[in-house]
Amino acid sequence: KAGVTQTPRYLIKTRGQQVTLSCSPISGHRSVSWYQQTPGQGLQFLFEYFSETQRNKGNFPGRFSGRQFSNSRSEMNVSTLELGDSALYLCASSFGQNMNTEAFFGQGTRLTVV
Amino acid sequence: GESVGLHLPTLSVQEGDNSIINCAYSNSASDYFIWYKQESGKGPQFIIDIRSNMDKRQGQRVTVLLNKTVKHLSLQIAATQPGDSAVYFCAEVNKTSYDKVIFGPGTSLSVIP
Repeated sequence: KAGVTQTPRYLIKTRGQQVTLSCSPISGHRSVSWYQQTPGQGLQFLFEYFSETQRNKGNFPGRFSGRQFSNSRSEMNVSTLELGDSALYLCASSFGQNMNTEAFFGQGTRLTVV
Repeated sequence: GESVGLHLPTLSVQEGDNSIINCAYSNSASDYFIWYKQESGKGPQFIIDIRSNMDKRQGQRVTVLLNKTVKHLSLQIAATQPGDSAVYFCAEVNKTSYDKVIFGPGTSLSVIP
């Protein structure tokens, strides 16, 4: 069974640009959550999608958004990139929502904003 | 913002010894807790979880202890192996109110062969 797949693995963008990251969950999983990981702030929850609906949202500005498709694949978008957005972005999938069941993480997308 | 734990402590243990990793959580309403292991270059990996109606749960070589009185969580790893070297995160979830998951800053475990 394939794990959680995130693409791309690495990305370099310029301040002011926008970026879209993709996450394909484990087959059969309907929940996808996104996290930002930085050395200073650690792992922070961005948002969770279940059955194409955003169920929870963390304390991030509106520049961070996401969506989930009918096949449970999810994308997150960051507009007007800032240097501080440089981070490892992780997604996790689970069968149930809100970590009612074990969540599996992808390897992440390393975003560098220059 | 909200956080679980304060710093990123490091822990060095001799191979074969037991390891104890601690975590303080912030929300007394949290009712579900998870420990994750993150190796360099990889995403977090689920280790073990515990619900708030329990104070201890055991897995393979790992035990999680929950003390709700002082809002403290610990992960005990028996007979620590070099492959256990990683950063360990605790996470808290308030499932009743579908609150967001909050992660601790992590503890870096180094196993000395």
